[in-house]
Amino acid sequence: NAGVTQTPKFRILKIGQSMTLQCTQDMNHNYMYWYRQDPGMGLKLIYYSVGAGITDKGEVPNGYNVSRSTTEDFPLRLELAAPSQTSVYFCASSYSMQGARGYTFGSGTRLTVV
Amino acid sequence: GIQVEQSPPDLILQEGANSTLRCNFSDSVNNLQWFHQNPWGQLINLFYIPSGTKQNGRLSATTVATERYSLLYISSSQTTDSGVYFCAASGSNYQLIWGAGTKLIIKP
Repeated sequence: NAGVTQTPKFRILKIGQSMTLQCTQDMNHNYMYWYRQDPGMGLKLIYYSVGAGITDKGEVPNGYNVSRSTTEDFPLRLELAAPSQTSVYFCASSYSMQGARGYTFGSGTRLTVV
Repeated sequence: GIQVEQSPPDLILQEGANSTLRCNFSDSVNNLQWFHQNPWGQLINLFYIPSGTKQNGRLSATTVATERYSLLYISSSQTTDSGVYFCAASGSNYQLIWGAGTKLIIKP
């Protein structure tokens, strides 16, 4: 029972490069989320998905893209990386959007853009 | 949109002490969550509590929705309780807005 798995755990990108952060969950949750956490701050929602084929913007979507082709996978794409995207990224999933049964988080990806 | 404020920002206690963490939110909510982030960065969901009171072992939480605040109580603190405690709330769009957290350090 792996829960939510994120890869990679660490990555250094040069300005202008692109990369995909992978997220997989094995709990058959319909709802999945991508958050970023800047130092000393709470999490901010980047994108979320309510099911395969359905995604929507969160609070800070600029510079990112997502797709949801299966229930299990929810990759986050960074195009043209900028220093402002240096952050820790968390993927999460839940049984419902309201989170009454709680949220499960991945262990995070620490991204540095230089 | 909803604003979430947490207090105190930092709290240092001796093992065995009790603590109360506060979360104020600016509007009516349909979702109020408490999370714990351990010193290694792992996030754990503690409570879903848009109203009322819940208890789980040494932790309990109370939300008074009409007065727009929630409290997290930690009794008989242990060093493993150290970390950052976050409150997050959402309104009609169900998108969680997170507070800046309370950093708790429990000294042995």
